[in-house]
Amino acid sequence: EAQVTQNPRYLITVTGKKLTVTCSQNMNHEYMSWYRQDPGLGLRQIYYSMNVEVTDKGDVPEGYKVSRKEKRNFPLILESPSPNQTSLYFCASSFSGSGGDTQYFGPGTRLTVL
Amino acid sequence: AQSVTQLDSQVPVFEEAPVELRCNYSSSVSVYLFWYVQYPNQGLQLLLKYLSGSTLVKGINGFEAEFNKSQTSFHLRKPSVHISDTAEYFCAVSEWGAQKLVFGQGTRLTINP
Repeated sequence: EAQVTQNPRYLITVTGKKLTVTCSQNMNHEYMSWYRQDPGLGLRQIYYSMNVEVTDKGDVPEGYKVSRKEKRNFPLILESPSPNQTSLYFCASSFSGSGGDTQYFGPGTRLTVL
Repeated sequence: AQSVTQLDSQVPVFEEAPVELRCNYSSSVSVYLFWYVQYPNQGLQLLLKYLSGSTLVKGINGFEAEFNKSQTSFHLRKPSVHISDTAEYFCAVSEWGAQKLVFGQGTRLTINP
């Protein structure tokens, strides 16, 4: 089944404790992206990747890191989480970075930073 | 830079009634337009998209949307809603040649029996 998976689905942590949210897709997509969803703000892009070893900042990259060492995986790293990073995070992928492509979303990771 | 405004944060309707969810966008260049749906506790999935051609786009689950270039709008409609349509709906825009998808704030559709 074609899908985007994320782990963990739920995470409660404390300020300053490094964490990684994994994202994997099995569709051989070149383009992958991370979003955060906050009430009243919709989804905002954190980082995106056009292909292996090619990443770039989105609209809200501060406090986040990403890497793309393999085509299928695109982990999101919070090296020193803070309470303002409490949010619902989505990973997405699409065939290419072409603006008309459909993006396929993972189920989401709900992160709480105390 | 492009932006998207969804004019209603919440829309309550009765079952089997028609519904329209409004979306306006701003961009200085040509765009692609999307509607995504998010059911409770799930990720987003594509309802429909406009790339070019006919301005009336039909999607899944009986939804359709009309692209109006002069009014920079892409409103979503369904003639008769069901309880299962309860979800949050997001309008999104992407400029031609760009990789970035910009989302609106979302509209929560609540169906009352």
